[in-house]
Amino acid sequence: KNEVEQSPQNLTAQEGEFITINCSYSVGISALHWLQQHPGGGIVSLFMLSSGKKKHGRLIATINIQEKHSSLHITASHPRDSAVYICAVRGSQGNLIFGKGTKLSVKP
Amino acid sequence: NAGVMQNPRHLVRRRGQEARLRCSPMKGHSHVYWYRQLPEEGLKFMVYLQKENIIDESGMPKERFSAEFPKEGPSILRIQQVVRGDSAAYFCASSLLAATQETQYFGPGTRLLVL
Repeated sequence: KNEVEQSPQNLTAQEGEFITINCSYSVGISALHWLQQHPGGGIVSLFMLSSGKKKHGRLIATINIQEKHSSLHITASHPRDSAVYICAVRGSQGNLIFGKGTKLSVKP
Repeated sequence: NAGVMQNPRHLVRRRGQEARLRCSPMKGHSHVYWYRQLPEEGLKFMVYLQKENIIDESGMPKERFSAEFPKEGPSILRIQQVVRGDSAAYFCASSLLAATQETQYFGPGTRLLVL
């Protein structure tokens, strides 16, 4: 079993839909990251959080430390949100342990 | 302030050759991380370096792979005697402080193809 599990693996949505991507982890962490990888391959850090909730524009990330679970929400989705969304947890040494990613496709 | 720079962006090598991948962290960042993304797989941690020191190399293959981050100049990931299985995207990331609560900023990656 992977230390970081994401669901779903693939997600297709219509423009405007509310999207949720889930991440569960089985190790002790100091922080959790949500990353976005565009079709061209570049990686952008969206959020780093260790408790509660963070919001940036149409993106919201939440984490429940007791349940070892995090969610990434996208409100009013748009085709430009199409990308792979990656959950990563930070281990004790600072290195990141990654989920396999969720491939999101938003259709116009 | 330029972001994390990696070069080359694409690298083609024949089996048995050496590959050198370079990473220049963001200005002022002294912590560098290397990650590998195999085709159709997730990212995997390889090595964490601070200036002139390897902090954690638990993700590095024991043979053929080495990394350095000298006092001056970029961090280098070196792969000797490359094999087809080394074909992957190699990303580096940097952070200002030790990455316990710090955001890591990623470079654009180097895509290595071994023929």
